[in-house]
Amino acid sequence: DVKVTQSSRYLVKRTGEKVFLECVQDMDHENMFWYRQDPGLGLRLIYFSYDVKMKEKGDIPEGYSVSREKKERFSLILESASTNQTSMYLCASSPSDSSYEQYFGPGTRLTVT
Amino acid sequence: AQSVTQLDSQVPVFEEAPVELRCNYSSSVSVYLFWYVQYPNQGLQLLLKYLSGSTLVKGINGFEAEFNKSQTSFHLRKPSVHISDTAEYFCAVTEGNSGYSTLTFGKGTMLLVSP
Repeated sequence: DVKVTQSSRYLVKRTGEKVFLECVQDMDHENMFWYRQDPGLGLRLIYFSYDVKMKEKGDIPEGYSVSREKKERFSLILESASTNQTSMYLCASSPSDSSYEQYFGPGTRLTVT
Repeated sequence: AQSVTQLDSQVPVFEEAPVELRCNYSSSVSVYLFWYVQYPNQGLQLLLKYLSGSTLVKGINGFEAEFNKSQTSFHLRKPSVHISDTAEYFCAVTEGNSGYSTLTFGKGTMLLVSP
């Protein structure tokens, strides 16, 4: 079974703090993704990576950065957290074959106060 | 550019009744389509997918969906729902033009099953 794990289920941070969200997958997938999920807005892609050290902006990259130093790990970084970044963050991974199926982690609910 | 519209934000239904969750997509090329389910406080889980072949796709938990190219739709159906089907359902599309093609998700439909 594919497993995608996220470092925290719940996180509370203060405005201005630097926040790291970690995601690890155990299926040797080439592609990894970070989404945020907000009520009524569905899932919106923040960044994705198709290889180690490679990254691409998604639909809403402002205020975020990412790091992929190892194939199995993809980190989302909030350089200076703001209250409008309070959200559910979902990580996903997928192989680079033609299945296009993404496997999701359980999510991290981040609250910025 | 691809886009997905889920026409209903909430669908209330009684247990053992049939249900249809609607999904329409927009794309200028061939697409691949997915339905995911999210139970409370969990990540997304794949219900079913259409890549090619038969337009009627069967998934887990008794769900099925039909790909209709002329109507650009991929509606999800279940003939008899259970309380445990209460969850949020997301339709997603990709144009599949590379090995790392991204998925575009709809805004979700909350299925509320009551006894």
